[in-house]
Amino acid sequence: SQQGEEDPQALSIQEGENATMNCSYKTSINNLQWYRQNSGRGLVHLILIRSNEREKHSGRLRVTLDTSKKSSSLLITASRAADTASYFCATTTSSGSARQLTFGSGTQLTVLP
Amino acid sequence: EAGVAQSPRYKIIEKRQSVAFWCNPISGHATLYWYQQILGQGPKLLIQFQNNGVVDDSQLPKDRFSAERLKGVDSTLKIQPAKLEDSAVYLCASSPGTLQFFGPGTRLTVL
Repeated sequence: SQQGEEDPQALSIQEGENATMNCSYKTSINNLQWYRQNSGRGLVHLILIRSNEREKHSGRLRVTLDTSKKSSSLLITASRAADTASYFCATTTSSGSARQLTFGSGTQLTVLP
Repeated sequence: EAGVAQSPRYKIIEKRQSVAFWCNPISGHATLYWYQQILGQGPKLLIQFQNNGVVDDSQLPKDRFSAERLKGVDSTLKIQPAKLEDSAVYLCASSPGTLQFFGPGTRLTVL
């Protein structure tokens, strides 16, 4: 079963607006990662946040992690049409095999020009 | 640096036929993964290799799926016989450590 669940399932915004996607998970984690997947392509790693971190930035990306609520959010600021893709959170867990990712169901982001 | 290579990119077969996918990981990456991604869902791990040994194949349907990684480099994933529910994208990923690098995937359609 999927460890993470993203919310919303789909999001449509105008270029220049900010996009926020949320991820909830069930068990204790070592780290949480966000990936992007363009249509028909493989996944590209965006950012990793460790369980002892609360916030991380990378360019236009901001990720937060709340381990007490078992949730994370990905914020994309000043969105561009090229940001149109599916976004997945993925966790590595304390009890799972080392370096195994468990993915959520994804958020489909559409950025309208 | 070359990325993870997969072939074929697309495959259409009829149910009960066999199919094989190939993956060439990034040079030097010891860990290799195969994932199944059904339309509208996130990838699900099928099998994990460390060099040429299997680390975890608990989610691999072993009655019809098999995978090998000869010489700890390239890997093949086989389905025999295929079922309609095997229609999905099969992703290969390799890793030197924490991060995983994904190939473009093979889209399988079973008719």
